[in-house]
Amino acid sequence: GENVEQHPSTLSVQEGDSAVIKCTYSDSASNYFPWYKQELGKRPQLIIDIRSNVGEKKDQRIAVTLNKTAKHFSLHITETQPEDSAVYFCAASQVFGGGADGLTFGKGTHLIIQP
Amino acid sequence: DAGVIQSPRHEVTEMGQEVTLRCKPISGHNSLFWYRQTMMRGLELLIYFNNNVPIDDSGMPEDRFSAKMPNASFSTLKIQPSEPRDSAVYFCASSPLTGEQFFGPGTRLTVL
Repeated sequence: GENVEQHPSTLSVQEGDSAVIKCTYSDSASNYFPWYKQELGKRPQLIIDIRSNVGEKKDQRIAVTLNKTAKHFSLHITETQPEDSAVYFCAASQVFGGGADGLTFGKGTHLIIQP
Repeated sequence: DAGVIQSPRHEVTEMGQEVTLRCKPISGHNSLFWYRQTMMRGLELLIYFNNNVPIDDSGMPEDRFSAKMPNASFSTLKIQPSEPRDSAVYFCASSPLTGEQFFGPGTRLTVL
């Protein structure tokens, strides 16, 4: 089955600086890579995703890159703000014509934005 | 527009009791997923359904766990009998054909 590794487990950055979280996956059949943000006591919230036919995707201050050959993908947050503080999870799965497989999650990164 | 709905939000029960968790997916979504979150094991997939049919239940920890999806707008996850190690937050998620998964608010289960 799929195995997703995520690093670092904790990341502390100064407000305004950039943050980068990295993940690797093992199953070359995976073609869908979402990122979730989870605040304490809340549900995981989908913030951005990328599919295997794309190398990079941006949405305002966040971006995700994918390297299929190396089987790794990364989340980039620029101009970090206090409200970016949360736990971030990467995940991988297969999406096909009739639906989607379940997500395999990384262990999470606790992002701390220092004022 | 309502998101994924789960009930109850909190459940406290005693070891040996039956627990039933409920989920209503987003209307029009064709896939439904049950996940469990603990500090030790993180977020793990238990079972998922496509078009109400169970596809993969390999994540269900034991025979004490069972899940059903009798129609497109309702699913249950049952634990019988419950044990203290089942204490966790249980999330339901649903997705359309394009694959994006949207999570419900979760049920926090405590088994004493």
